Amino acid sequence: QSALTQPRSVSGSPGQSVTISCTGTSSDVGGYNYVSWYQQHPGKAPKLMIYDVSKRPSGVPDRFSGSKSGNTASLTISGLQAEDEADYYCCSYAGSFDVVFGGGTKLTVL
Amino acid sequence: EVQLVESGGGLVQPGGSLRLSCAASGFTFSSYEMNWVRQAPGKGLEWVSYISSSGSTIYYADSVKGRFTISRDNAKNSLYLQMNSLRAEDTAVYYCARAVAAAGVGAFDIWGQGTMVTVSS
Repeated sequence: QSALTQPRSVSGSPGQSVTISCTGTSSDVGGYNYVSWYQQHPGKAPKLMIYDVSKRPSGVPDRFSGSKSGNTASLTISGLQAEDEADYYCCSYAGSFDVVFGGGTKLTVL
Repeated sequence: EVQLVESGGGLVQPGGSLRLSCAASGFTFSSYEMNWVRQAPGKGLEWVSYISSSGSTIYYADSVKGRFTISRDNAKNSLYLQMNSLRAEDTAVYYCARAVAAAGVGAFDIWGQGTMVTVSS
């Protein structure tokens, strides 16, 4: 299964909003409401930010939100903060118990 | 504190074997589905394997099928990954990850710190 497509990098200034896209196919993103998003700081383990397209785990700020339209999922971060600078990965169920990740997006807070 | 701690990584020659362990604490391990996810140096995340809470259902990524074996010992609160016929492309940090209860596939809420596996001669 091919990896999901994410932009290599995005950037924004503190206080602004940014959106990271994650494009798949009807066999993964478009076929299931099982999209999750992970934040990873350098040298650290990933952290779950969004699951089941738009659900936020306890402790994740509501500045982070997820959505999906067709074969593309999106992660929006509003009110950007310096600590949001990290790599972000999307993940989707792809049927037959296959799980695929995106290639990752580096978020730079200017 | 809810925690996962991996161990067992190291340097191994191509064709060799390695067994990774993941010790769970702070939660009822036997109630949760578990996974292994890896990350090659400078690369993205790749799901490797899944095991149900009882151990009765197991899945693998195509890239490791037939070479890796996932298992668990609920009495010891431990998850394992037996890796055989290792290849250079298996070089990665290996994370154990807990699946979110009652959530869809691919939602992992607790991760270990990772253990590095290097396959090289």
